[in-house]
Amino acid sequence: DTEVTQTPKHLVMGMTNKKSLKCEQHMGHRAMYWYKQKAKKPPELMFVYSYEKLSINESVPSRFSPECPNSSLLNLHLHALQPEDSALYLCASSQTLDRGVGYTFGSGTRLTVV
Amino acid sequence: AQKVTQAQTEISVVEKEDVTLDCVYETRDTTYYLFWYKQPPSGELVFLIRRNSFDEQNEISGRYSWNFQKSTSSFNFTITASQVVDSAVYFCALSRGGTGGFKTIFGAGTRLFVKA
Repeated sequence: DTEVTQTPKHLVMGMTNKKSLKCEQHMGHRAMYWYKQKAKKPPELMFVYSYEKLSINESVPSRFSPECPNSSLLNLHLHALQPEDSALYLCASSQTLDRGVGYTFGSGTRLTVV
Repeated sequence: AQKVTQAQTEISVVEKEDVTLDCVYETRDTTYYLFWYKQPPSGELVFLIRRNSFDEQNEISGRYSWNFQKSTSSFNFTITASQVVDSAVYFCALSRGGTGGFKTIFGAGTRLFVKA
């Protein structure tokens, strides 16, 4: 199994809703990442987990709350989002948190906030 | 400053043409890694290649080749005999150290259109 699975693929939510994005990998990778990508822009790092511990938070607003319940699963909990948060949210994993490793990306969740 | 510049926003070619995507980077690190990723319309980023700063050998993989030149801080990507399936956004990326761990920063991307 050499892939990262993200669910749902599409999500439309209101500004008062609470929803969660899910990311799963079964490659034994110990580093997992959340990226946000706006249209026609490069991915921007949000969070990095290493061995289920939060390693990097790129000053992301608290309405985004990451969670890593185990080594295979990464969640992103969403609450009280704004329309400008509409974007493609990409999850990635790598063997370790090492600058030399390539990432395996999921196909993303396309989020629309209305 | 750590930075990745992909000056070509969009490139359009006809099938079977060769095309080179440019990437210029800036870093103060002596050890660093450079990557190319492909993002097709389906959305996922696909890892293509990694190169470390001590290895300036060019690499060829099928129709893809990469030219790494530290002297000009460039890591260019050439597709030979392009095909419609090569149409995608291509990102060059740099991995660097920082507080809490290593981060990968992406260039702005080059959108490649290959017409039949």
